[in-house]
Order: sequence, then C-alpha cells, then structure tokens
Amino acid sequence: DAGITQSPRYKITETGRQVTLMCHQTWSHSYMFWYRQDLGHGLRLIYYSAAADITDKGEVPDGYVVSRSKTENFPLTLESATRSQTSVYFCASSDWGGGGASYNEQFFGPGTRLTVL
Amino acid sequence: AQSVTQPDIHITVSEGASLELRCNYSYGATPYLFWYVQSPGQGLQLLLKYFSGDTLVQGIKGFEAEFKRSQSSFNLRKPSVHWSDAAEYFCAVGAEGGGNKLTFGTGTQLKVEL
Repeated sequence: DAGITQSPRYKITETGRQVTLMCHQTWSHSYMFWYRQDLGHGLRLIYYSAAADITDKGEVPDGYVVSRSKTENFPLTLESATRSQTSVYFCASSDWGGGGASYNEQFFGPGTRLTVL
Repeated sequence: AQSVTQPDIHITVSEGASLELRCNYSYGATPYLFWYVQSPGQGLQLLLKYFSGDTLVQGIKGFEAEFKRSQSSFNLRKPSVHWSDAAEYFCAVGAEGGGNKLTFGTGTQLKVEL
C-alpha cells in the first residue's frame, strides 16, 4: 500500500519491557519524524531523521532509541518502557522543500496507541 | 527557539456559523506556518501552509488563514462550518534552517452543534 504505515496500531506492555514501534513509508521521502501526542501537550518531537543513517534528537528523546538503515523505515524503540511513555505515537515523513523553501508538508501515519502498565 | 500558542483549548460553534481559531507564534524571523487537522482516531492532515508572499492563504475544505507579522498570528478561518469539521486543529511553526522540524501548538478541539 502506498503511503505511510505504522505497526502495531495498539500495544499494551509492562514496565521495563522493550517495545519497538514500526514506521514505513513508500514515497522515499528524505525526512522522517517520531512524535508523541499527550493531552495538554499537543505533539512533541521525539526524534527525526534527515536521511538514512542520519538521526537527531527532538524535544523529548529520553528513553527512546531510533535507527534508520533504510530510507523507507524508521523504527522507534523504547528500551525499558515506563508508565510515563503511555501515549499515542505518530510517525511522519516529508520530502525536501521545493522552490527554495526549507520546509515541506509532513505526512502522518495513523498512529500507535501504546499503554504501559 | 520557536514556540506556538493556541489559546483556545475547546471551541463550540453552530453548524453554518463562522469560525476563527487563534494561533500565535514566537520566532524572530519570518516563520514557516502550518495548520493541520486531526479527525478522531486519525493522523494529521495538512489544511494549509504559509511560507512567504500573499499573507492570506487558502487551504482545503474551505479553510483560509491570514499571516499577520505585527501580531505574530496565523489565525485559521472558515466562513460556514459543517458538522464534519468537528476535529482537533493544530498550528505549527518551523524555523529557517530548522531541518524541516516543526513545533506544534497544543491544539484546539472544535465541536459543531447541529
């Protein structure tokens, strides 16, 4: 399927377990992003990637690890899940800006609802 | 660092009424500004964006927004709201040289009364 997909859509885990959230896009976009969405905070950037093998921290990176060995995939790993990581996680992708602009539209996946017990 | 404020957490309007959602940003230079909409259980969809040029931008679904540098605002408007517009709306700002990263506001939840 074309577009951006996330798996799983729902996940329940326990404190201390490792969890990996998957993100896959079919557009070959250069940029990929991971956000978490919490009530009262909107969307906050966890990590982003400008290209394969290039990643950088966002606003709330602690407790998360990312990798990007292939352009189309950008998995997010919670190494030791905590209850404060209960959230809805969104992956997004974007191409380079056009017409000299530094920005372009971000396309969002459907989200993964993660519950940490 | 840039920031975004959406002062209204919840707004309720009647179907057919006009709508204005407020967004104020903090950034020294000309920002890149976006409005996204999120329907329940869905990801975010771009409504419109402002990079430069005409300060009144048109988007999808009949929405428009006006960039006002003097007020550091980018308010979203629609002349006549439809029940299907009920959703959460997010304003976002990007900074020059920011590597395509966006800072989002906390969102405004729109309820439409029939």
